[in-house]
Amino acid sequence: TQLLEQSPQFLSIQEGENLTVYCNSSSVFSSLQWYRQEPGEGPVLLVTVVTGGEVKKLKRLTFQFGDARKDSSLHITAAQTGDTGLYLCARYRSNDYKLSFGAGTTVTVRA
Amino acid sequence: NAGVTQTPKFQVLKTGQSMTLQCAQDMNHNSMYWYRQDPGMGLRLIYYSASEGTTDKGEVPNGYNVSRLNKREFSLRLESAAPSQTSVYFCASSEGTLAGGFLTQYFGPGTRLTVL
Repeated sequence: TQLLEQSPQFLSIQEGENLTVYCNSSSVFSSLQWYRQEPGEGPVLLVTVVTGGEVKKLKRLTFQFGDARKDSSLHITAAQTGDTGLYLCARYRSNDYKLSFGAGTTVTVRA
Repeated sequence: NAGVTQTPKFQVLKTGQSMTLQCAQDMNHNSMYWYRQDPGMGLRLIYYSASEGTTDKGEVPNGYNVSRLNKREFSLRLESAAPSQTSVYFCASSEGTLAGGFLTQYFGPGTRLTVL
């Protein structure tokens, strides 16, 4: 059973369109990270969010941490082909130092 | 500055064979990790080392052993490979330890292992 549910599993859009991917859990996060993984490579950290309601922006990427700290979203504005990849969320539990990853959303941006 | 390097990049084994996956980091990080990535399952932690000489089991340790040879190197050994161990294996490192809170992990490029 996945502790973290990511949706959708796959997403294919045209260059210039916007997209949003989601990360949800039935339990509260201590904090959450988003990674991007390109084909044949390891994941690369994009952002860490730690406060409920927090919004962070990284150029065309906007990350939001839900008020109840059970969900997060990643929104990409005007997607580019370079945004293609697997987007992973990861949660950290401070009570037992456990780090868990979701299965990811595969995003394909078509030229 | 190569970051985290892994060897080999690809490997095919027969059931019952053994092999060691090598990982090295040049960032002077204290912690190192081994994950496996399977379709639909995300990354799952196999073993973790907070410092030289210490190792801890992760979520899926069965069938694997690890050695933290020194601060730079952390190897993963499959003593008797099984088809269920077909996966992509990632090594990662971080400056801090899991007990210190959320941290930035740096991942290697992965080893793609097929067990026939």
